[in-house]
This record gives sequence, structure tokens and C-alpha cells, in this order.
Amino acid sequence: AAGVIQSPRHLIKEKRETATLKCYPIPRHDTVYWYQQGPGQDPQFLISFYEKMQSDKGSIPDRFSAQQFSDYHSELNMSSLELGDSALYFCASSSLAKNIQYFGAGTRLSVL
Amino acid sequence: AQKVTQAQTEISVVEKEDVTLDCVYETRDTTYYLFWYKQPPSGELVFLIRRNSFDEQNEISGRYSWNFQKSTSSFNFTITASQVVDSAVYFCALSERGYSTLTFGKGTMLLVSP
Repeated sequence: AAGVIQSPRHLIKEKRETATLKCYPIPRHDTVYWYQQGPGQDPQFLISFYEKMQSDKGSIPDRFSAQQFSDYHSELNMSSLELGDSALYFCASSSLAKNIQYFGAGTRLSVL
Repeated sequence: AQKVTQAQTEISVVEKEDVTLDCVYETRDTTYYLFWYKQPPSGELVFLIRRNSFDEQNEISGRYSWNFQKSTSSFNFTITASQVVDSAVYFCALSERGYSTLTFGKGTMLLVSP
């Protein structure tokens, strides 16, 4: 069965650079979620989209933005990167019918 | 506000032992969903089970079983006859209404030794 696809899997950036993370949800899933997991921490919700509209917002810094496109894939844009942004970023998708979030393998971002 | 507490930070067992991971939750909603996810050393988050607040039936799936008790706000997870491949961080999570975000506990790291 198709799973959530995230790219890239690993990303290394310098401070103050920008990064774009991509997420391709499971086909026919209408909601996408982004989470940030720091080292040794639990995943923290950033933002979600339902049918291409922002549906909920968590502890997402103003330097970050996200959107969901017409083909339902989503992108998380991160600017003015800081050392503290180094983390594992997960995308998850779900359908209205089942309300189970399935996670991608994550993008490991390292800011040097 | 919703909250999930996993009091056990780390558990070490020897293969074939049974182990129970505890999860206690807080919520003001009457409708909510509880989840368990597994995060192996490779880092991905793997969905294990979902339970809604109206279904207190315990569930067994192979070596895994879950005990949901609304009276004590607990949703515990037991692995029977543990195996080395069960070594992972296990997260309990809560969503307060259908279609909402997950609030995770801090996770329990399970180490199963041969």
C-alpha cells in the first residue's frame, strides 16, 4: 500500500539559509499535518491542511510557512534557519473516514 | 487542555518477558481518540492502534494487547513474549475531536535484550 512520501530524507543547511520540505500524502487522504520532533523529544504539531486550506495551527514559528497544492502535496518552507531548527520533521496524512494519521519517514534537518 | 503522561521513561527487559507500557491522559472532551505509535531506531513513526472514547473493549493483536479504562483515564499497552525487534520508543497520543491534531506523551523507550 502507498505510504506518505517525504523528501528529502536528509538536509543540511547553514544558519540563516532557507529550506523546503515536501510531503506527498497517501492517495485519497484529504488532510496533511506537519510535526517537528527535536532530539529525544515527542513530536510537536506545527500546522495542518484540509482540502488545501489551513485547518489548524500549532507552535509554528513565523519564519515557517506551509501550503497544500491542488494535487494535495504539501510543502513546509523554513527561512532564516537557526541552530534550534535542527530536528526531524514529519508529515502525516489522514482521511475523514478513518481519522488515523499515517506518518512519513521524516526529513532530518541539520542546521550548522 | 489535553495532556498525555507516560511516566516510564525507559524500560529494559530480557527477550520473552512480558512488558506493559503505561499511558494516562487528561481531556475535557467526551469524544476523543487514543493512539499508540512505535518509533524504531530508524526513526519512522508507525501507527499501532486507535481507540475512541466510546469503545472500552480491550484489544488483542498477536503479541500486542491494549487495556483502555475510562475510569482511570488510562490506555495501557502490553507486549507479550517480547522480542529484540520490539526495541523502540513507544508514544501514546490523544486527539480531542475527530480530525484534529495529536498530542503526544513524552514516549517510553523499550529495550529488549537477547
